[in-house]
Amino acid sequence: GAGVSQTPSNKVTEKGKYVELRCDPISGHTALYWYRQSLGQGPEFLIYFQGTGAADDSGLPNDRFFAVRPEGSVSTLKIQRTERGDSAVYLCASKRGEGAYNEQFFGPGTRLTVL
Amino acid sequence: KQEVTQIPAALSVPEGENLVLNCSFTDSAIYNLQWFRQDPGKGLTSLLLIQSSQREQTSGRLNASLDKSSGRSTLYIAASQPGDSATYLCAVSNTGKLIFGQGTTLQVKP
Repeated sequence: GAGVSQTPSNKVTEKGKYVELRCDPISGHTALYWYRQSLGQGPEFLIYFQGTGAADDSGLPNDRFFAVRPEGSVSTLKIQRTERGDSAVYLCASKRGEGAYNEQFFGPGTRLTVL
Repeated sequence: KQEVTQIPAALSVPEGENLVLNCSFTDSAIYNLQWFRQDPGKGLTSLLLIQSSQREQTSGRLNASLDKSSGRSTLYIAASQPGDSATYLCAVSNTGKLIFGQGTTLQVKP
């Protein structure tokens, strides 16, 4: 595709519910990243995939958060038993290849609101 | 632990001024540094990427410099325009993931 896409653009849910956020990376990009951005803050790293496997999940805040990338392309971030503190913009980025020197390209984000 | 700081947090300038945004980082062992622009309610747009071996990168009215040994980068914007109003974020990478500063919110007044 032309760029990284994320769906939905907005998600409103109630505390305790389960949500899934989807990311479609740029075609051919093997590396995929999830970040979370709270209001007035810079994005914070959550998890990084190289291909199908999670190469670094050190940023996931707790075990309510989980992400998959079963075919090495689309990724889904899953949040169980949502809490009001999970409200944020969730950003996805992709990068060509494993090299740390390559540029990351970001999607428009999913704004999650937990009531 | 890598920490990235951006100063100032907010900046307001009249149209036409040249300006400098600052970014500092605590661990000089980085692969690269990226500057991004973020408009309200939008995602991040990459402006410039500087490899660790480079000193600066230029794109149009933008010039980014990197002094890895001192842990500093600057983004220079020449002849600012109202359309430059946005939040500017810098981020460093040393293991693939990006570590971001909190951003500088720029307002350019007509």
